[in-house]
Amino acid sequence: GQNIDQPTEMTATEGAIVQINCTYQTSGFNGLFWYQQHAGEAPTFLSYNVLDGLEEKGRFSSFLSRSKGYSYLLLKELQMKDSASYLCASMDSNYQLIWGAGTKLIIKP
Amino acid sequence: DGGITQSPKYLFRKEGQNVTLSCEQNLNHDAMYWYRQDPGQGLRLIYYSQIVNDFQKGDIAEGYSVSREKKESFPLTVTSAQKNPTAFYLCASSPLGRDYNEQFFGPGTRLTVL
Repeated sequence: GQNIDQPTEMTATEGAIVQINCTYQTSGFNGLFWYQQHAGEAPTFLSYNVLDGLEEKGRFSSFLSRSKGYSYLLLKELQMKDSASYLCASMDSNYQLIWGAGTKLIIKP
Repeated sequence: DGGITQSPKYLFRKEGQNVTLSCEQNLNHDAMYWYRQDPGQGLRLIYYSQIVNDFQKGDIAEGYSVSREKKESFPLTVTSAQKNPTAFYLCASSPLGRDYNEQFFGPGTRLTVL
C-alpha cells in the first residue's frame, strides 16, 4: 500500500531550529514534496527532492533518503510567521501526489 | 498575473441541494485537480483531469461530479449524494511531463452544509 507518516504537532521556540520528519511507502516513487499551509489558506510549495541528499533554500532545507523511505524538513532561525502546517507528499508512478496529514508547527516567543 | 482562482471563498447550502464550486487557471497547465481537506487530515483527491474532455476519479469521488470543457476551467459539483459535504475544497493545477510536476493551489472554498 501507499502511506505517508508525519508527526501531528510540534512546538518550537522563535529563533531555534526544528526538524519535521516524514516517512513514506510509495509504489514507483517519483519524488517527495514539502508544502506549507497557513490556517484557512492554500498550501504553498516549499521543496522537492528526488535524489538522496540535502537541498538548501534559505532558512529551509529538505533531506531525502530513498533507501529508508525518509525525508525531513529543517527550518532554521524560526520566526513567528513559520507557525503553520507542513505537508509532506510523495509522488507515485502515475505522477499523483500521496499526501500526509500534515504537521502543525507551533512557534512560541 | 498568472494563477488559480476559486469562487466563492465561503459557501453555505442546505442539505439536499447540489452546489458547484468554480476553479479557473490561466497558467496554461494541462492537469487540474480537486482535493478535499478535513480537520486533522491530509488532502484527499476527488477528481483529476489531464486533458480537456477527460477526467479520472480519485480516492473519494462518490457524491461528486466534474467537467473539463475548457483547459482553463474545472468546476466541481457536490451533489446531494455526498453524505458529509462540509469541508475545505482545494483546486490545483500542474504542468505535465516527465520532470516533477509541482501543483499550484487556488485559495480554496469552504463549504458548509446546514
